[in-house]
Amino acid sequence: DAGVIQSPRHEVTEMGQEVTLRCKPISGHDYLFWYRQTMMRGLELLIYFNNNVPIDDSGMPEDRFSAKMPNASFSTLKIQPSEPRDSAVYFCASSYSANEQFFGPGTRLTVL
Amino acid sequence: KQEVTQIPAALSVPEGENLVLNCSFTDSAIYNLQWFRQDPGKGLTSLLLIQSSQREQTSGRLNASLDKSSGRSTLYIAASQPGDSATYLCAVSPANQAGTALIFGKGTTLSVSS
Repeated sequence: DAGVIQSPRHEVTEMGQEVTLRCKPISGHDYLFWYRQTMMRGLELLIYFNNNVPIDDSGMPEDRFSAKMPNASFSTLKIQPSEPRDSAVYFCASSYSANEQFFGPGTRLTVL
Repeated sequence: KQEVTQIPAALSVPEGENLVLNCSFTDSAIYNLQWFRQDPGKGLTSLLLIQSSQREQTSGRLNASLDKSSGRSTLYIAASQPGDSATYLCAVSPANQAGTALIFGKGTTLSVSS
């Protein structure tokens, strides 16, 4: 398996623009997680899905953030409008049942 | 609220040394604990997963132990090599929310000199 795939790997945008991050989980995994990593706060959960259904979005910072999982092989995280404080590395991870989580390479987002 | 702490934040050792990385968590009610490695600018690589019913797991030169009652885990690296240089992250999954998000420590950055 190719592992968790994320795109783009790097994104540079200007404040106010819409940003869409994409994730393809490992085939057969039923859980998908979106995390954000910053120097100040470390790694934090944004939202997670089970069988394509959002279960916990309490980590989503505000209404500017939204996430979808239209099918078992694809998820998006959207930020609209983006702000400089959204600059971070965004990771997608997947797991089968409640077991080991496997992480993608991350998307480094810079909002100018 | 579960909190995960890793001490020290950074560690430098000469090649060949055996070393221990520490992880502590405030709530002993965990489902499992996972150790990761992160290289600069890269994603997280899972090293070891310990279920709450287990005491330790081993993979090659790595051994992770878990003491739930005291809220501690250690990652033992034997015969360290320069290629082991990376940040090591500890994360726990709350017991009452199996399969949910991991709660991470801030990591220990290891540097092994040749």
